[in-house]
Amino acid sequence: AQSVTQPDIHITVSEGASLELRCNYSYGATPYLFWYVQSPGQGLQLLLKYFSGDTLVQGIKGFEAEFKRSQSSFNLRKPSVHWSDAAEYFCAVGAVQAGTALIFGKGTTLSVSS
Amino acid sequence: EAGVVQSPRYKIIEKKQPVAFWCNPISGHNTLYWYRQNLGQGPELLIRYENEEAVDDSQLPKDRFSAERLKGVDSTLKIQPAELGDSAVYLCASQLQTTKDEQFFGPGTRLTVL
Repeated sequence: AQSVTQPDIHITVSEGASLELRCNYSYGATPYLFWYVQSPGQGLQLLLKYFSGDTLVQGIKGFEAEFKRSQSSFNLRKPSVHWSDAAEYFCAVGAVQAGTALIFGKGTTLSVSS
Repeated sequence: EAGVVQSPRYKIIEKKQPVAFWCNPISGHNTLYWYRQNLGQGPELLIRYENEEAVDDSQLPKDRFSAERLKGVDSTLKIQPAELGDSAVYLCASQLQTTKDEQFFGPGTRLTVL
């Protein structure tokens, strides 16, 4: 079955500390992986995506993610969290070809403490 | 460039009433998706359009939900009659019909059924 698992429902990180959000996927075809962020009352904003090539991808707002095929993981990282990073983060997987609906994880809520 | 536009942003209705949501995708985007996001969950696909054709509606509860995308541009999603369990955020996304393009999401319509 195709699925995305985000093991952490809620994470609290101190401002300035590093962050890692976990994502594991199960997908029958070559995966196309995404991280989206959703602030309250807002739509989903793409942080980064992995299609092929370098397994470490850089995104917006200082985020990066590493694709590990052997572990079926695509973890999101940021070296220093800012208070404005508090939001909900979704990992998603889709097929490489266009016009394929994404399968989302249940999300991880990030709180940032001062 | 304008993003994906959705209206209304919020809707509160009594159960058994009808409701409709409207989406205007990014200009030139052939593919349009409707997703439903339940509280504490990631978005799940309801229906996908390629131009005016619904190419994946397997997850759409057809007894009460309907959708259309006349002229292959904007789209309407309807629920009639609404049930309590339909309370959710309804997200519209659009995508260019090419590989590697991201899906762009609208802000969503938050539906509350009382």
